[in-house]
Amino acid sequence: NAGVTQTPKFRILKIGQSMTLQCTQDMNHNYMYWYRQDPGMGLKLIYYSVGAGITDKGEVPNGYNVSRSTTEDFPLRLELAAPSQTSVYFCASSYMWGGRGYDHTEAFFGQGTRLTVV
Amino acid sequence: QKEVEQNSGPLSVPEGAIASLNCTYSDRGSQSFFWYRQYSGKSPELIMFIYSNGDKEDGRFTAQLNKASQYVSLLIRDSQPSDSATYLCAAPGNTPLVFGKGTRLSVIA
Repeated sequence: NAGVTQTPKFRILKIGQSMTLQCTQDMNHNYMYWYRQDPGMGLKLIYYSVGAGITDKGEVPNGYNVSRSTTEDFPLRLELAAPSQTSVYFCASSYMWGGRGYDHTEAFFGQGTRLTVV
Repeated sequence: QKEVEQNSGPLSVPEGAIASLNCTYSDRGSQSFFWYRQYSGKSPELIMFIYSNGDKEDGRFTAQLNKASQYVSLLIRDSQPSDSATYLCAAPGNTPLVFGKGTRLSVIA
């Protein structure tokens, strides 16, 4: 089982460049997330998706864009990279069901992408 | 915005002691709660989950949940230096999975 796969693992960008961080999950999870984690800090939610075609902003969405065309893929796009976007990025997925007792499975994380903007 | 609060620490305990990590949450609709451990430079990994009020034990780890007080805790008995990490609490509710900022634990040999 691959779980959640993120690519690349490391990347150095110059200010003003753009890039896409790839994320794929093979667990048929409806929820997918992108978090960033700055050194010594907690996880900050950038964007999330509740299913194909549906995305929503998290706590820190500025400077990023996402799309969810399939259940499996949830790429994160950085436009006009800035030094403030230097961070470690984690993709995660989980399954949530509704009904009388809505609930989540645990979130499974990718290995992370260490991004440096210089 | 649903919130999950944790004391960021650092929490230092001697080897062999009990480490107690605490978390409060704002969403009364949350049914399940997760504790993750994150080693420096690594992804968070699940170590415990709890759904019901009371205690849940798994080896040296015990999760405690009090829904009336909106409080969840993690006890680590016989703490080892390998337990030194950041511990994240997560409460799903009916919104995206929300993490606390994490408590950094240092177990001193």
